[in-house]
Parts: sequence; C-alpha cells; structure tokens
Amino acid sequence: NAGVTQTPKFRVLKTGQSMTLLCAQDMNHEYMYWYRQDPGMGLRLIHYSVGEGTTAKGEVPDGYNVSRLKKQNFLLGLESAAPSQTSVYFCASSSQGPDTQYFGPGTRLTVL
Amino acid sequence: RKEVEQDPGPFNVPEGATVAFNCTYSNSASQSFFWYRQDCRKEPKLLMSVYSSGNEDGRFTAQLNRASQYISLLIRDSKLSDSATYLCVASRGSNYKLTFGKGTLLTVNP
Repeated sequence: NAGVTQTPKFRVLKTGQSMTLLCAQDMNHEYMYWYRQDPGMGLRLIHYSVGEGTTAKGEVPDGYNVSRLKKQNFLLGLESAAPSQTSVYFCASSSQGPDTQYFGPGTRLTVL
Repeated sequence: RKEVEQDPGPFNVPEGATVAFNCTYSNSASQSFFWYRQDCRKEPKLLMSVYSSGNEDGRFTAQLNRASQYISLLIRDSKLSDSATYLCVASRGSNYKLTFGKGTLLTVNP
C-alpha cells in the first residue's frame, strides 16, 4: 500500500544546478500539491494541480515549475537552484475535500 | 498578519496531563479546519477535522468558534506517544488548498 511516494529522499545540489522531484500516488486522486517546509515558517504551498494536465501557483511559486502529464505523477522542477531553496519538500494528494489530503515522506534538499 | 497563527510553544508536560492548543485564523472565508500531527522528520498526518459543533476522538477534543475565528485542540491524559508537532490548518476555496500554522511542539515527559 504505497500511497504517496517521493523521489529522491535526499539530494545535495550546487547553486545553479537543476533537478526534478517526482511525486507519485496510487490512490487515483485528482488533486496534488507541492509544499516546502522551513524552520519557523511552517508548510507553504508552492504549486498545485486539480487534475491531469492542469497546474496552478500557490503561495511561493517563484523559482519552481511543475508538470502533471499523468494523473498519478506530479513533478516539481528547479531550473537553477539557489541556497534559499534549501528545504524539505512534501508532496500531497487528495480526492474530494481537504480532509483527505495525504502526504508523501518528503525530500530533503540542500543547495550549497 | 499570518493567515493561521498558533501558540508558539514548546509545551512540555508530564504523562497524564491535559494540554490545550489554541489557533486563530484571519480569513473569514475559511471553510474547513483541521489539526494535523507531524512527528520529527516525518510527514504531516491528519489528526482530526474541526467542526462548529465540536468533535471528540478518544482523548482528543477539537472546537471551532467561527465568530471569534478561533480553533482549539485539547488532549487529555497525555501519553508519551503524543509527543509531536501539532499543526493547525485552514482551508478555503474549491481547490482545497490548505494553509498551515507554524505548529506547536509538544513533549510529554515520563
């Protein structure tokens, strides 16, 4: 029973490098979300998707891009990583209603 | 002003104690409210939804006061396993975006 999985679990990047974080869910959920969590800031929404082929900006979208080509996958891209993007990234998915939002285990990203 | 604000904590309580967390939200358009629990270095997990009529789940009781824009969580008979960060969450709009408070760290001591 996988639920929501995230790849990779850890990553260290140098400033200016690019990478893609993958989120996959096997619950046939329509809605998917990317958050970042920083000490003292709480969880903040980066981008979200309300269905396959759709994406929308959240609270802190700058420096990130997303794609939802398949219903089960939601990709978060960093084109040119910056130290300010050092954070823990969580993906979540939900079906109908906010109380069904399930989170993945997170990706710890460090940008040097 | 942040949209969801919580007690900053941390709370340190002995086993068996009763502890209460408070939370306020600034956007009156918020429709749904929740408490999530997050263990150290883990993902958040839904603890319980919060309804205007109040709701209880075992040792946990949640209350919502829409007039005061205030949410609370009461934990009775605290257990060591209750040690975690508790996140107050509000939702509004049809896209079910969640707005999280910064969280309150609870440590239950033997």
